[in-house]
Amino acid sequence: DVKVTQSSRYLVKRTGEKVFLECVQDMDHENMFWYRQDPGLGLRLIYFSYDVKMKEKGDIPEGYSVSREKKERFSLILESASTNQTSMYLCASSLGGGTYEQYFGPGTRLTVT
Amino acid sequence: GENVEQHPSTLSVQEGDSAVIKCTYSDSASNYFPWYKQELGKRPQLIIDIRSNVGEKKDQRIAVTLNKTAKHFSLHITETQPEDSAVYFCAARRGGADGLTFGKGTHLIIQP
Repeated sequence: DVKVTQSSRYLVKRTGEKVFLECVQDMDHENMFWYRQDPGLGLRLIYFSYDVKMKEKGDIPEGYSVSREKKERFSLILESASTNQTSMYLCASSLGGGTYEQYFGPGTRLTVT
Repeated sequence: GENVEQHPSTLSVQEGDSAVIKCTYSDSASNYFPWYKQELGKRPQLIIDIRSNVGEKKDQRIAVTLNKTAKHFSLHITETQPEDSAVYFCAARRGGADGLTFGKGTHLIIQP
């Protein structure tokens, strides 16, 4: 069974702080993704990664960066948090190699005050 | 880029009736179309998916149909039950990349 975990369920940060969201998967998946979910907007892709040290921009990368130093771990970084980054952040992973199913983590609800 | 439209935003059906949720996509190169169910406070769960070389797929009470010409795909749930109440999201995999573009979601309400 695929297991995707995220470091925090709830996080409260102040404007201007640097924020790290961590995601770990235990199924040796090649691909990892970060989405944000906002009411009425669905899920929107921020960044994804095909392999260690590889990253690709999604639809809304502005204000975010990512890091993938190990295959099982994918970090989302908010360099200087702003109130419009208050959201639910969901990490996902997929096996790759023609297998497209994505499995999601439980999410981190981030509030920036 | 890809754009996915989903309708309706809210759907209320009587228990035992069928429910249909429809999505359209814009990128003809998209080749994979999953459907996710999200219960309140929980993560999205994959319930069914279809690839572009298949027109229809069924799994017990749920089915998905795909019309590539019209760039349209639909989720069908038959014999609805109270536990089907949730928000459902359709998505499309962009051509040449693994990221998904999601619809805005449909809140399905099963009336007893």
